[in-house]
Amino acid sequence: NAGVTQTPKFQVLKTGQSMTLQCAQDMNHNSMYWYRQDPGMGLRLIYYSASEGTTDKGEVPNGYNVSRLNKREFSLRLESAAPSQTSVYFCASSRHSGSGANVLTFGAGSRLTVL
Amino acid sequence: QKEVEQDPGPLSVPEGAIVSLNCTYSNSAFQYFMWYRQYSRKGPELLMYTYSSGNKEDGRFTAQVDKSSKYISLFIRDSQPSDSATYLCAMSATAGANSKLTFGKGITLSVRP
Repeated sequence: NAGVTQTPKFQVLKTGQSMTLQCAQDMNHNSMYWYRQDPGMGLRLIYYSASEGTTDKGEVPNGYNVSRLNKREFSLRLESAAPSQTSVYFCASSRHSGSGANVLTFGAGSRLTVL
Repeated sequence: QKEVEQDPGPLSVPEGAIVSLNCTYSNSAFQYFMWYRQYSRKGPELLMYTYSSGNKEDGRFTAQVDKSSKYISLFIRDSQPSDSATYLCAMSATAGANSKLTFGKGITLSVRP
């Protein structure tokens, strides 16, 4: 049972290049999320998908696009990378506990450096 | 004032110590409270969650919520070197997939053998 799998684990880009971060979960979760984590800033939500076929902006969506390809897969695209997008990106998916808390399962992260 | 404040740390304690990690928040609508643990170069993993006020215990870990003071704590008893990690608090006002989780910035704990 792999949980949440992200690829690639590491990537170096030049300013202006594009790339897609891939995420897949095998837990049959309905909801999926993309976060970025920066020193001193904590985890910030970029985009999320509450269910297959829907996507919504989070706290810091500018410069990113997402695609919910199917129930398992949720990709994050940087169309024209900027140095400010240097970060560690985490994909997550969620189940709902009996109390209703939105409990997230995270992937291992993708470290992106934009030169 | 940020919605969720967490002591920035880092925190270093000897093995066997009792550790107290804390977060304060400003949004009185928060009612779901979570603690995530993140090992170096890994993703966060859920440690504990509580609903509304009160205490919850799981082995050496106790989560405490005081809604009147807008203050949550995570206590670790008999701390072990394997507890060395970054701990993030998270909270939300509503339930379900659309609920917005607000994270603290995390505190890094080091337990010295």
